[in-house]
Amino acid sequence: RKEVEQDPGPFNVPEGATVAFNCTYSNSASQSFFWYRQDCRKEPKLLMSVYSSGNEDGRFTAQLNRASQYISLLIRDSKLSDSATYLCVVPANAGGTSYGKLTFGQGTILTVHP
Amino acid sequence: DAGITQSPRHKVTETGTPVTLRCHQTENHRYMYWYRQDPGHGLRLIHYSYGVKDTDKGEVSDGYSVSRSKTEDFLLTLESATSSQTSVYFCAISGDRLSPLHFGNGTRLTVT
Repeated sequence: RKEVEQDPGPFNVPEGATVAFNCTYSNSASQSFFWYRQDCRKEPKLLMSVYSSGNEDGRFTAQLNRASQYISLLIRDSKLSDSATYLCVVPANAGGTSYGKLTFGQGTILTVHP
Repeated sequence: DAGITQSPRHKVTETGTPVTLRCHQTENHRYMYWYRQDPGHGLRLIHYSYGVKDTDKGEVSDGYSVSRSKTEDFLLTLESATSSQTSVYFCAISGDRLSPLHFGNGTRLTVT
């Protein structure tokens, strides 16, 4: 299994739709997970951190399933401004101290249309 | 936003020339990272630093070296640039091992 695998996408949804992305990871010892969003030709920006079973922030909900080793991101009531690439991020597989190294998924492209 | 500045923002250089990219932070964070981002590969770690003069290799370190002589500066050097090093380079910082990374604006490097 790859360290991080994301839904290939792309996802094209109308405004107001609910959309969900999944991400699987291989390192069962991982404790912290993140979702980033990246706009075209910009740097990745932190969207949500997931340290336990899940996290909710307004229209965004991230869930963690340790038994099946996947995390998900749910976006409700999609806005045009949600159009971006969403990156799943998990700690890198490493023996001993990883010094905070993170492995990024390749990203899922979301386009929200009117 | 985290205080991270990358320079230059854009650079075009010729094959075989040395290139140095600079990352400067004002957050006094211990950890600093250099990533490159390419279509089909996502973000890949080149080198990282866990303190002044403490650095280690990432997954794509061949052809790159780094230096960190001060907490605030992390330099990435391409000793002899090749066309395969054409990419977007991002610097990132983190306060501790479990915290998320915060990225700089990126440097677009083209090697002709």
